[in-house]
Amino acid sequence: GEDVEQSLFLSVREGDSSVINCTYTDSSSTYLYWYKQEPGAGLQLLTYIFSNMDMKQDQRLTVLLNKKDKHLSLRIADTQTGDSAIYFCAVLPGGTYKYIFGTGTRLKVLA
Amino acid sequence: ETGVTQTPRHLVMGMTNKKSLKCEQHLGHNAMYWYKQSAKKPLELMFVYSLEERVENNSVPSRFSPECPNSSHLFLHLHTLQPEDSALYLCASSQRDTTTFHYGYTFGSGTRLTVV
Repeated sequence: GEDVEQSLFLSVREGDSSVINCTYTDSSSTYLYWYKQEPGAGLQLLTYIFSNMDMKQDQRLTVLLNKKDKHLSLRIADTQTGDSAIYFCAVLPGGTYKYIFGTGTRLKVLA
Repeated sequence: ETGVTQTPRHLVMGMTNKKSLKCEQHLGHNAMYWYKQSAKKPLELMFVYSLEERVENNSVPSRFSPECPNSSHLFLHLHTLQPEDSALYLCASSQRDTTTFHYGYTFGSGTRLTVV
């Protein structure tokens, strides 16, 4: 079946850039998303990218998509302590409305 | 109210109790979902309702019983739960239409359930 994988932890210093990576198996994925989950809260949609795009920039966030390698990444520039959270990658296989989520990457920002 | 609202935020129940979780969405979406989030595990999709009809039940034990009386409301009825059912239960909604752009799920804040 479809699978989405992420590393579990990432630690960066405040002001540095963070890069969170995700790999997926379903080549028919049409939309790809990044969600953020803060402690005690639900998941919040951060940004998304169409499968026909290579890159999308949204303020401090840059999403890169390598369709050949089925690799998605989220770069957060000038990482702040408020960025500490769990980040989930999710893909939407073509022809469905059911998203496949990764395991989440816990980002810790050190002051 | 806007978005997806879940109540209660926290729930502690004994193994012999019966309780219900409630989810309400004000977004006009026509698909709703229950997810279970346990520590150190991926999000587990439990149930999917589309157009008020249950379209997916991912081998969830019968002690969990969903109900979707209309497109805006979703319930999860709980009875005789086990301690391993303690988790964060997340409700989400989306628009079911594979021909248009998907803005992703909108999640509620979740109900933190502890079974004692």
